[in-house]
Amino acid sequence: QKEVEQDPGPLSVPEGAIVSLNCTYSNSAFQYFMWYRQYSRKGPELLMYTYSSGNKEDGRFTAQVDKSSKYISLFIRDSQPSDSATYLCAFKAAGNKLTFGGGTRVLVKP
Amino acid sequence: DSGVTQTPKHLITATGQRVTLRCSPRSGDLSVYWYQQSLDQGLQFLIQYYNGEERAKGNILERFSAQQFPDLHSELNLSSLELGDSALYFCASSVEVQGSGYTFGSGTRLTVV
Repeated sequence: QKEVEQDPGPLSVPEGAIVSLNCTYSNSAFQYFMWYRQYSRKGPELLMYTYSSGNKEDGRFTAQVDKSSKYISLFIRDSQPSDSATYLCAFKAAGNKLTFGGGTRVLVKP
Repeated sequence: DSGVTQTPKHLITATGQRVTLRCSPRSGDLSVYWYQQSLDQGLQFLIQYYNGEERAKGNILERFSAQQFPDLHSELNLSSLELGDSALYFCASSVEVQGSGYTFGSGTRLTVV
């Protein structure tokens, strides 16, 4: 079993729709939960990070963590064509090494 | 601009050759991480340095090595290159604060022919 599972997509949505992304993980030692956005040929950019179970909101982005189910989600409201990118979930246990999911490609169509 | 600088942006070299990738971390960051990103493997952690010392090692091949210099820039050396080493190599930096994420550079695209 992979340590992190993430659907590669692509996930295609019309502009203005809600984008829903998720990852499951198996490592109970993961303490920090993050989402990165990566545009083509660019480095990943940190969007959200959370520590505890529950929701965290930042503008159009909401991150959810359910530690009991080992499941994290990212929601993007009022999606824009500029949100078209690959979204990577990332996890950190003790120490500072991040473990990434494979990424989900998102296409927001005008 | 993320503040993490990687050079060169692109590199094309032949099998069996040796290359050096360079990374300058964001100002104030003491940790540098190297990741390899290929289509089939995703982002794979290679190695971490903190203030000049190796802190953690991931799936780094013996043909690969890295170091961090006193000015905190880091170099990743790849030798006896194989076709399968073609990938994007990212450097990231961070402060050593729990809960912080990394800041990534734009990467070096290595093509081995």
